[in-house]
Amino acid sequence: AQSVAQPEDQVNVAEGNPLTVKCTYSVSGNPYLFWYVQYPNRGLQFLLKYITGDNLVKGSYGFEAEFNKSQTSFHLKKPSALVSDSALYFCAVRSRDTGRRALTFGSGTRLQVQP
Amino acid sequence: EAQVTQNPRYLITVTGKKLTVTCSQNMNHEYMSWYRQDPGLGLRQIYYSMNVEVTDKGDVPEGYKVSRKEKRNFPLILESPSPNQTSLYFCASSLTGLAGVETQYFGPGTRLLVL
Repeated sequence: AQSVAQPEDQVNVAEGNPLTVKCTYSVSGNPYLFWYVQYPNRGLQFLLKYITGDNLVKGSYGFEAEFNKSQTSFHLKKPSALVSDSALYFCAVRSRDTGRRALTFGSGTRLQVQP
Repeated sequence: EAQVTQNPRYLITVTGKKLTVTCSQNMNHEYMSWYRQDPGLGLRQIYYSMNVEVTDKGDVPEGYKVSRKEKRNFPLILESPSPNQTSLYFCASSLTGLAGVETQYFGPGTRLLVL
């Protein structure tokens, strides 16, 4: 079975400081990994994904994530946080090597950026 | 405008009364999916569909049915709703499910309360 862990329910960071939202995963074989963001009263919006190749993936709004196979992690990062980045962030995984197309999401991490 | 629409957006019902939540996309996407979002549990996939007349179970299919008679529509059916199906439901679509790595586009969500 595949699973995703987001160990922090909430991350607080001051505007202008770097931010990290953690994600670890478990999957059979190689993973496809995703980050989505949810603003209040909205559906999820895609941020970035890792398929293969370069371990550092750049996405929307200045976010990036680093795939670390040995640590089975895919942490989301941004060099300088904005108040408008405050939202709920979800990491998701599916296996590249099985026929199963279902996507498994983590429980979400609320990012609060203080002015 | 490319979008995924869901109806209704809010629904209060009683135990045992059959209901259907509709989902429609105008992007000619082959892959469609239903998720439920619960506090502390993140998003869990209920069912997904690779194309017309092709559906498969996600992680939490019990108590739900789906159908895919047309490419654009993917209704979620609760034959006999129970209070544990009170949740926020999201429909999503992507271009194809073959690679399984396309960006998913999410609808605005349907908040369901089962009394």
